Amino acid sequence: AIRMTQSPSSFSASTGDRVTITCRASQGISSYLAWYQQKPGKAPNLLIYAASTLQSGVPSRFSGSGSGTDFTLTISCLQSEDFATYYCQQYYSYPLTFGGGTKVEIK
Amino acid sequence: QVQLVESGGGVVQPGRSLRLSCAASGFTFSTYGMHWVRQAPGKGLEWVAIISYDGTNIYYADSVKGRFTISRDNSKNTLYLQMNSLTTEDAAVYYCAKDQAGRGRVYNWFDPWGQGTLVTVSS
Repeated sequence: AIRMTQSPSSFSASTGDRVTITCRASQGISSYLAWYQQKPGKAPNLLIYAASTLQSGVPSRFSGSGSGTDFTLTISCLQSEDFATYYCQQYYSYPLTFGGGTKVEIK
Repeated sequence: QVQLVESGGGVVQPGRSLRLSCAASGFTFSTYGMHWVRQAPGKGLEWVAIISYDGTNIYYADSVKGRFTISRDNSKNTLYLQMNSLTTEDAAVYYCAKDQAGRGRVYNWFDPWGQGTLVTVSS
């Protein structure tokens, strides 16, 4: 199975900050990567697929980049509603696998 | 709009069985692949299984292979997960999720997700 490693596992940030979350695959996955946001007690919500394509309805302050083994999710100007946990997911091969998550907390 | 509503969760003893259901509406269910994803309390997400639009292609996570069975009834717009030989490691919120592709294809990313149903495994 392809292992997905996210870093950091958590961090604190302030509204207005630019934040970057990293996701690394244990082997090359081309651009077969998605990002999700999950708020406490809620189901995850798709943000980005194909590493950099923004899902319809997702604010443009979210962006994704990378290919191969290294990927990033960037929030250009953190808003209060963005404090949540973020997960990457590879869909290059079965079994589909997720990163361990990155919790973004309020500083 | 698309709606996915899971049911069937509850408290079950180790070694017993449980069947989860996911009622779908707001889209042509019979043309979309469907997934189950789970999340243990306080933990991350774990993909469980996928079934193609017509039920002919199915894949499982190694952790559930041989114990869980994914199925669907397109006449009822419902997805199922039969879970046998449950262990404490299977305790989680189980989400059903729609594959975004449709038209008989799969993309293997998930949108949207249901609200989840909680499975507790305890003696």
